[in-house]
Amino acid sequence: GAVVSQHPSWVICKSGTSVKIECRSLDFQATTMFWYRQFPKQSLMLMATSNEGSKATYEQGVEKDKFLINHASLTLSTLTVTSAHPEDSSFYICSAERAAGNTIYFGEGSWLTVV
Amino acid sequence: KQEVTQIPAALSVPEGENLVLNCSFTDSAIYNLQWFRQDPGKGLTSLLLIQSSQREQTSGRLNASLDKSSGRSTLYIAASQPGDSATYLCAVRRSSYDKVIFGPGTSLSVIP
Repeated sequence: GAVVSQHPSWVICKSGTSVKIECRSLDFQATTMFWYRQFPKQSLMLMATSNEGSKATYEQGVEKDKFLINHASLTLSTLTVTSAHPEDSSFYICSAERAAGNTIYFGEGSWLTVV
Repeated sequence: KQEVTQIPAALSVPEGENLVLNCSFTDSAIYNLQWFRQDPGKGLTSLLLIQSSQREQTSGRLNASLDKSSGRSTLYIAASQPGDSATYLCAVRRSSYDKVIFGPGTSLSVIP
């Protein structure tokens, strides 16, 4: 079956630094990838929709200059948390779909802790 | 605006029991509905995808039904096992190009 991989699974960084999380579709080309964050015991919150070769579409309230999303190829999207602060500590999950409206596959998620 | 709710928020059952998880959505004009499973601290695993034209989908011990007109979907788990313990989320989509709207999830515990 389709597999979506995220890296790193865990990352601890100092406040003020930037962190990059990668999301890869391993056995299919994903024209669209989605980035979510999830706080403990809460559901997923969509941050942005990433389309290959174009600018990401951010949800209301999500700072596009703070959460930089790049979708440079059909198998890779990256999320960079810039100037991270402790309140950015969260679980970040990406997802990808093989074709519009098809089954969505999720990565394993990345735990970010900002100290 | 589409809103998705799930009842119950948490459920604890003894092993072997059959159970039903409920999902409701306010806007019946959906493209598809998908059920996911999430283990603690992990990503989501897709369980079943139901297109708007379908009434149900089955995979092993899982059966998901969809009633668009009433804005409801159920996930039936037969002969529950401790390994089924996880959070189950339903998600709906208005069109093939629209974003996915998630419910808050049902936390399931199956007691050995």
